[in-house]
Amino acid sequence: DAGVTQSPTHLIKTRGQQVTLRCSPKSGHDTVSWYQQALGQGPQFIFQYYEEEERQRGNFPDRFSGHQFPNYSSELNVNALLLGDSALYLCASSFRLAPRTDTQYFGPGTRLTVL
Amino acid sequence: KNEVEQSPQNLTAQEGEFITINCSYSVGISALHWLQQHPGGGIVSLFMLSSGKKKHGRLIATINIQEKHSSLHITASHPRDSAVYICAVRGRVRDFGNEKLTFGTGTRLTIIP
Repeated sequence: DAGVTQSPTHLIKTRGQQVTLRCSPKSGHDTVSWYQQALGQGPQFIFQYYEEEERQRGNFPDRFSGHQFPNYSSELNVNALLLGDSALYLCASSFRLAPRTDTQYFGPGTRLTVL
Repeated sequence: KNEVEQSPQNLTAQEGEFITINCSYSVGISALHWLQQHPGGGIVSLFMLSSGKKKHGRLIATINIQEKHSSLHITASHPRDSAVYICAVRGRVRDFGNEKLTFGTGTRLTIIP
């Protein structure tokens, strides 16, 4: 049973470009959350998707957008990249009707470098 | 002030020492997670707590809901325990859906042989 997978592993972009990151949830999970982790910091919540809709959103600008597909996989899109967008982007999956005490599973992350 | 505070930020200890990492939070929660992050980024969930104490091998996690405080202990520490340990809290569930996790900034643990 594959866990949470993310692609690509690493990505280098230049300022102003656009990027798309992908996440496939653990089998049986229907909810995908995205987090941004800057160097030396804890992850920050970007947004969460289930039933193909954004359900919760953190304090991130509209340049950050997402999508969830019928197979529960998800994309994170960032437009007009800034140097400050350089970070590790983590995807986590869960089952929305799971007990609140259920654990959350994380992917290995995509490290984005903006030059 | 961050909603989740961890201490210490960095901790270096000799192999075999007893390790304690602390986490305090200021919001109502439904659960608290202790996570381990190795260089390269991957995050592994160690514990999920809503009350009391849990033990797994050499790791022990406790939580005091009234005091809004949790601790992660490592007994007989080993160099392979070197990693960043992150505390994260899950807000109270209002309705369907999982509340987002709010993370501390992590504690970088280095165990010297």
